[in-house]
Amino acid sequence: EAQVTQNPRYLITVTGKKLTVTCSQNMNHEYMSWYRQDPGLGLRQIYYSMNVEVTDKGDVPEGYKVSRKEKRNFPLILESPSPNQTSLYFCATSLWGTGELFFGEGSRLTVL
Amino acid sequence: SQQGEEDPQALSIQEGENATMNCSYKTSINNLQWYRQNSGRGLVHLILIRSNEREKHSGRLRVTLDTSKKSSSLLITASRAADTASYFCATDNRDTGNQFYFGTGTSLTVIP
Repeated sequence: EAQVTQNPRYLITVTGKKLTVTCSQNMNHEYMSWYRQDPGLGLRQIYYSMNVEVTDKGDVPEGYKVSRKEKRNFPLILESPSPNQTSLYFCATSLWGTGELFFGEGSRLTVL
Repeated sequence: SQQGEEDPQALSIQEGENATMNCSYKTSINNLQWYRQNSGRGLVHLILIRSNEREKHSGRLRVTLDTSKKSSSLLITASRAADTASYFCATDNRDTGNQFYFGTGTSLTVIP
């Protein structure tokens, strides 16, 4: 079954405590991306990756890091989380850069 | 922001009626896509329309695209209670390629 798996699904943390949200896909997709969803703002792209070792900034990259060392994984790293990073995060993949996106179930992050 | 906008923000209809929602965007595009999101879940792809297409159908869905007006509409015919969800349009940017831009969504409620 085609899947995009995010972990953790829910996380409450404190300001400054580094955390990683993992994303894994089993579809052999080239393109992977991260979004955050906030009320009234829709989905905003944080980072995306066209292939292994190739990453680019989206619209809201500040405070986030990513890496793409393997094709199937695209972790989102918050080195020093702040309360304004409290949000619902989605990983999404696509076979090619402008095609249909497949979304994970989301990771709800609260930073106190 | 290069984000699109959906209109209306919220729509409430009776089961069996048709639902129409609109999307406006700002840049030249390769494709426009529509997604559905059930409360807090991951987005699910509904339909993709290319910039050289004007209309596309998929089951009870009809999408139109007017690139001269930078707008699209999604029509759901014979709505069902199970269609209750938020609907988002997403565009790429022909100039920058691999970023996706989502609108702020239309919340559709179908009353049984």
